[in-house]
Amino acid sequence: SAVISQKPSRDICQRGTSLTIQCQVDSQVTMMFWYRQQPGQSLTLIATANQGSEATYESGFVIDKFPISRPNLTFSTLTVSNLSPEDSSIYLCSVSDRADGYTFGSGTRLTVV
Amino acid sequence: LAKTTQPISMDSYEGQEVNITCSHNNIATNDYITWYQQFPSQGPRFIIQGYKTKVTNEVASLFIPADRKSSTLSLPRVSLSDTAVYYCLVGDKGGDYGQNFVFGPGTRLSVLP
Repeated sequence: SAVISQKPSRDICQRGTSLTIQCQVDSQVTMMFWYRQQPGQSLTLIATANQGSEATYESGFVIDKFPISRPNLTFSTLTVSNLSPEDSSIYLCSVSDRADGYTFGSGTRLTVV
Repeated sequence: LAKTTQPISMDSYEGQEVNITCSHNNIATNDYITWYQQFPSQGPRFIIQGYKTKVTNEVASLFIPADRKSSTLSLPRVSLSDTAVYYCLVGDKGGDYGQNFVFGPGTRLSVLP
């Protein structure tokens, strides 16, 4: 299955600033997914990112708040903008893998102070 | 997307077999059933996937009755390291044609000594 490197693993950010999370995959994949996991909760899909097109956002998530880039088939970034304490969560990227379903990165733990 | 229902939590003791059942009454013909395991501070990890009857790998077994409206993940002889949250998901198998999975709350398994 694919191997995902996600950076940073954790960060503490000030209100009003932004954090960009990087996701690097060791193989080419068409679709990449970004999830949010709030403390003690399950995962919620933020958006789906296809290379060469605009990301598709789920209800409740907007591009201005969560801009996504997908410059090639192995890389994507998620930016969480204008941070507030409510954005404190774990953010995970995921890719679809023919052999084993979906593979997830180890996540980025964001704390907003 | 088929909705899943599973127990919120379960307790077990080391060496016991653990069975976690998931209900998915509106599963579609093309849907697969996939189970993921998540440890704290890590992304979900694929455990097993099946379509019907029984699937077994080195980690677990997955039992799916003929009507496919439920499935049971079986973990043989659990150890303390199996303490985690287990998610049952129903959706596409994976791959570039894949749609996203919808994560339910999962089952928090606690293995006691």
